[in-house]
Amino acid sequence: DTAVSQTPKYLVTQMGNDKSIKCEQNLGHDTMYWYKQDSKKFLKIMFSYNNKELIINETVPNRFSPKSPDKAHLNLHINSLELGDSAVYFCASSTLGLGYTFGSGTRLTVV
Amino acid sequence: AQSVTQPDIHITVSEGASLELRCNYSYGATPYLFWYVQSPGQGLQLLLKYFSGDTLVQGIKGFEAEFKRSQSSFNLRKPSVHWSDAAEYFCAVGEESNFGNEKLTFGTGTRLTIIP
Repeated sequence: DTAVSQTPKYLVTQMGNDKSIKCEQNLGHDTMYWYKQDSKKFLKIMFSYNNKELIINETVPNRFSPKSPDKAHLNLHINSLELGDSAVYFCASSTLGLGYTFGSGTRLTVV
Repeated sequence: AQSVTQPDIHITVSEGASLELRCNYSYGATPYLFWYVQSPGQGLQLLLKYFSGDTLVQGIKGFEAEFKRSQSSFNLRKPSVHWSDAAEYFCAVGEESNFGNEKLTFGTGTRLTIIP
């Protein structure tokens, strides 16, 4: 009965490949997010969707494309992976007033 | 733009001792403030939050935080730490959007080490 689940937990891939990370929440929240945590633990928002509508799109390379088929799912597709994309990617969901609920993260390593 | 400063990168505390982790924020209006904890290899867990009302907020695991508007601070405290409290702690400030959610901006985190 995991509230926010991400798959896969670990992803090791070569430069230039395309990969996807999936996220699902069963909390009934309207808003979902992707955050990137770098090697120094710094967390930065990438995207946010509210009821399948993109509402936050920070300065992120076009190689990153989020997709939300419904309000319970938010996927992240990354094209032409680069070494600098190596990080932990966190999915989260929220309803105003309750704070965020985070997934356990996807550790992406590009070699 | 909102921002959060956690001045202590790493803190070491003896088990059973008291703890205070500092957090300063910058935000024009009344902020939404949060503390999250991240154990190694895990996601972030919400410890407590402040939206309005009583400036002393109680959270899970025996933590509390006090909102001080005059100092733009939201420090996290615990009277007696346990070895299981060793983790990374993040303070965050939330900006309400037109869509009824908050965009969170996180501090750089404070790593807490507990010594026996």
